[in-house]
Amino acid sequence: EDQVTQSPEALRLQEGESSSLNCSYTVSGLRGLFWYRQDPGKGPEFLFTLYSAGEEKEKERLKATLTKKESFLHITAPKPEDSATYLCAVQAGNNRKLIWGLGTSLAVNP
Amino acid sequence: NAGVTQTPKFQVLKTGQSMTLQCAQDMNHNSMYWYRQDPGMGLRLIYYSASEGTTDKGEVPNGYNVSRLNKREFSLRLESAAPSQTSVYFCASSEGTGKGQPQHFGDGTRLSIL
Repeated sequence: EDQVTQSPEALRLQEGESSSLNCSYTVSGLRGLFWYRQDPGKGPEFLFTLYSAGEEKEKERLKATLTKKESFLHITAPKPEDSATYLCAVQAGNNRKLIWGLGTSLAVNP
Repeated sequence: NAGVTQTPKFQVLKTGQSMTLQCAQDMNHNSMYWYRQDPGMGLRLIYYSASEGTTDKGEVPNGYNVSRLNKREFSLRLESAAPSQTSVYFCASSEGTGKGQPQHFGDGTRLSIL
């Protein structure tokens, strides 16, 4: 069964303390892995798409990487405004639909 | 650009009442989606429309109907609301359903059913 698992469920960091969020997946035929950011009371905001193992993408303090089994979202020197829930989703096989993880809730303290 | 616009933002219903959630996108996207988001359950797909004129069931379609009114608009109807349908509902759109095409979301409708 296709599955996406995110860890940890929650993470609290001090401003400037770098860390990584994990998205592990078990799917048949990865077509794309997506990272989103969701602020309270808002819809998910698209960040990155990764297609194949070894691929990396960066945006400001965020860097997403992909292996054959998992993806990491690295946050370098985070700021309080990076506080949000980060969601991972996978598109697999011939499926038009996305398989969503439950998210990691990140809090960055000043 | 507004992106994906959902109305209303908040709604309270009584059990058995009906209502329609509206969604419109201005990105000229072909595909549109309705999700619900519940604590501990994540985002679950209710229905989607891969292109104008087509609709398909997602994971949790029971109790809901949809209409793809035109390329821009995709509505979700609750015919007889039940407390289990209390949730946050998100509409999303994408260029298509092909490889790696991201979905773009509205800010949701918060629905409570008493």
